[in-house]
Order: sequence, then C-alpha cells, then structure tokens
Amino acid sequence: GAVVSQHPSRVICKSGTSVKIECRSLDFQATTMFWYRQFPKQSLMLMATSNEGSKATYEQGVEKDKFLINHASLTLSTLTVTSAHPEDSSFYICSVGTGGIGELFFGEGSRLTVL
Amino acid sequence: RKEVEQDPGPFNVPEGATVAFNCTYSNSASQSFFWYRQDCRKEPKLLMSVYSSGNEDGRFTAQLNRASQYISLLIRDSKLSDSATYLCVVNIRDGGTSYGKLTFGQGTILTVHP
Repeated sequence: GAVVSQHPSRVICKSGTSVKIECRSLDFQATTMFWYRQFPKQSLMLMATSNEGSKATYEQGVEKDKFLINHASLTLSTLTVTSAHPEDSSFYICSVGTGGIGELFFGEGSRLTVL
Repeated sequence: RKEVEQDPGPFNVPEGATVAFNCTYSNSASQSFFWYRQDCRKEPKLLMSVYSSGNEDGRFTAQLNRASQYISLLIRDSKLSDSATYLCVVNIRDGGTSYGKLTFGQGTILTVHP
C-alpha cells in the first residue's frame, strides 16, 4: 500500500492565486519530509526540507516567501505556492524517508498548471 | 558541470535485449547511490541501491566505481514493462542529517518494443 499520500493530484488555477498541496505520511511518523519540483524532461530538484515543529530548510534559489511550507504534525506537511504564475507550473512531489539512507517514498505528485 | 549526469537517451530496444545505462557524479563526498524508476507522469520509485561490490536483483545489475565516480545499471532480457525513465540518484550526507541530500540525474528514457 501507499506510504505517502499527496493531494491534489492535479490543480489548475489562475495567475495570482495561491495553491496548497498536502503531503501525508501514512502508517508512520515523519519528522522530515522533502519537497521536490520537476519540470518537463528535467530531473527532480529538491526545493526544501520540511521539519516537523520548526522552519523548513530551503535550497538555494528557492523563495521561501513564495513556497510556504508548514509541517505542523508528524504526518502532514503542506506546500503553498503563493501568488502563482505560469512559470510555477510544474510537477510537485513530496517524499518521506523511512530510515534507510537514500530510500525515499514519494507521494503521487501534484501537477500544477497556472493559467 | 551537473552534479549527476546521465545520457538522457532515449534508448529504444526490442524485447529480450540487454541494455546498459551509465551515470557519473561530480562530488567525491557522495556516499550512497541508487537507481530509481519513474513511469510517465508518475512519482519515482526505488529500483535498487548500488554497492561498491556490485549487486544484482533478478534481471537488474548495478555497479559502482568510486575511483571513476561512475555508476551503471544493466538490464537483461528486457520486458515491455521495463519501459520507463531510470534515474541515477546520489546521496551526499549533510552534516548529521541521516538522509543527506538526494541529487537526481535527469533520467534515461528506455522504451522496450515488441
């Protein structure tokens, strides 16, 4: 069964609106979750590391005020794309590690299209 | 130079063929290595870890050469269901963080045809 659940799987919004994506860890508690972004025909790029109960750690070049991450519980992390623009259109994927170094379980991904 | 480089392909092979993918990484501090598989418009899934001694899982064989900073994946007796994008992934331990930072290659596209 799924280890990580992500919602919504697909969202279309108008430019300037904000979109929230949820990532849920099923069956276990995750103090750390990872948010990735993948543009067409490109590799996954780590955006930020979500830490339960504390601030997220953002990768260089990722605007923390634009991509708001909240990790309020051990099973839920949310990514909010604020004031979305067409260039934010991408595949956003969350992931959780269960202890094995490098073994990540990914959510189903959320495909964002900003018109 | 990209941290993890792969030949993007695409590789188009007939069923039953043997195909090999290569990957190089630039950071010598890299500690763990993996191959993930990603189907079209889906999330990546771990295919196998890569160890210095080489490891095999059924039709799949992975090799690591630390001196050359090179990783490979060999698929024997290709099946139609092997069609996917294969991602080379490198883990660089970041301070005391258990997971470190996973860096993905751009992926190699494989299409197996009848």
